Amino acid sequence: EAGVAQSPRYKIIEKRQSVAFWCNPISGHATLYWYQQILGQGPKLLIQFQNNGVVDDSQLPKDRFSAERLKGVDSTLKIQPAKLEDSAVYLCASSSGFSDTQYFGPGTRLTVL
Amino acid sequence: SQQGEEDPQALSIQEGENATMNCSYKTSINNLQWYRQNSGRGLVHLILIRSNEREKHSGRLRVTLDTSKKSSSLLITASRAADTASYFCATGSYTGTASKLTFGTGTRLQVTL
Repeated sequence: EAGVAQSPRYKIIEKRQSVAFWCNPISGHATLYWYQQILGQGPKLLIQFQNNGVVDDSQLPKDRFSAERLKGVDSTLKIQPAKLEDSAVYLCASSSGFSDTQYFGPGTRLTVL
Repeated sequence: SQQGEEDPQALSIQEGENATMNCSYKTSINNLQWYRQNSGRGLVHLILIRSNEREKHSGRLRVTLDTSKKSSSLLITASRAADTASYFCATGSYTGTASKLTFGTGTRLQVTL
């Protein structure tokens, strides 16, 4: 089966610019997660979707970050405007309703200059 | 926020030796999982142990869980150069009907020939 797809793989922007990341989960997986992983740290959950609905966005900086999951499949994560501290790898993961295991995409490495 | 603290932060061993990584956490959990991350790549699920289990094996991996001490350990036996990666523990809990993972800080394992 195809894995979680993410694009782009790399992105370099200047501070105050906006950026968007895209994720396509494994087919049939109802739950989709976005994580932020700063260099040298573990992934931190930003937002969790169950189908179309948001389950947990308690750690999403809502003044600058937004995310949506259209039709319960693909998802986009947007940052506007970006700050230097947003430099990180953004990971997307998905899981089925019957499993606690999450499957991760390759991530998008964002550098904010 | 990081739930798990891993020890050691970095570990260097020779091929054929065993590697042991420890994870401590703070709150009650439903399960504990271990993931591997190769440099610049996404995370790969290794093994899951539920809160009512004490030990689990998968190939060269052995995981133990002590819920009274809120700690877990991952043992990799007969290590190989290909095991070089960062290893993360993640505690699993439920948010309504959806499962959620909180990752630790990771252990960087270097296996030399």
